[in-house]
Amino acid sequence: GAGVSQSPRYKVAKRGQDVALRCDPISGHVSLFWYQQALGQGPEFLTYFQNEAQLDKSGLPSDRFFAERPEGSVSTLKIQRTQQEDSAVYLCASSYSGTGRVHEQFFGPGTRLTVL
Amino acid sequence: QKEVEQDPGPLSVPEGAIVSLNCTYSNSAFQYFMWYRQYSRKGPELLMYTYSSGNKEDGRFTAQVDKSSKYISLFIRDSQPSDSATYLCAMSARRGAQKLVFGQGTRLTINP
Repeated sequence: GAGVSQSPRYKVAKRGQDVALRCDPISGHVSLFWYQQALGQGPEFLTYFQNEAQLDKSGLPSDRFFAERPEGSVSTLKIQRTQQEDSAVYLCASSYSGTGRVHEQFFGPGTRLTVL
Repeated sequence: QKEVEQDPGPLSVPEGAIVSLNCTYSNSAFQYFMWYRQYSRKGPELLMYTYSSGNKEDGRFTAQVDKSSKYISLFIRDSQPSDSATYLCAMSARRGAQKLVFGQGTRLTINP
């Protein structure tokens, strides 16, 4: 595809449910990032992959959050036992290469998660 | 205190006005500075990128970085209604694929 795609675009979960959010990066992009954007706030970093390796997960807010990218392409962000404070837009971004240059991060449209 | 501070606005100006958007930051390790534009229900898209201190111009947009003051600015000349969006400043410390630290975003409306 032409850009980063994310699915679903909208997700409503009851408190305590598990959710899985999918990101399809731009083909050939090595780096993949997940950010969380609360209402009226800027995106906040969650985790970063270079190919299939998760190199930084320092932004994951708790052990209920888990991300994977098993084949170095599609990534899934999983949230277990969702809480109301998890309600936010989850943005995925990809960039071309892992080292040496400052790379533009291309963002998907996000998944808006609402936890009731 | 957040690493990057940005006035959330909202900011409303008439068409054709010059717009000034600003961010301050506390982490002196930041060397790469970006401005993203985010339309409603969309992901952010990169507008401008600068390295270290200085100015950069691209059409109606000018980005300025003053590392001594830890202050960055984005100027929009001859503003258009299509410029109405949320503008996010973002920063990173090193080259390569790096996590970005964003400001809160300023919501801008250009009135025809």
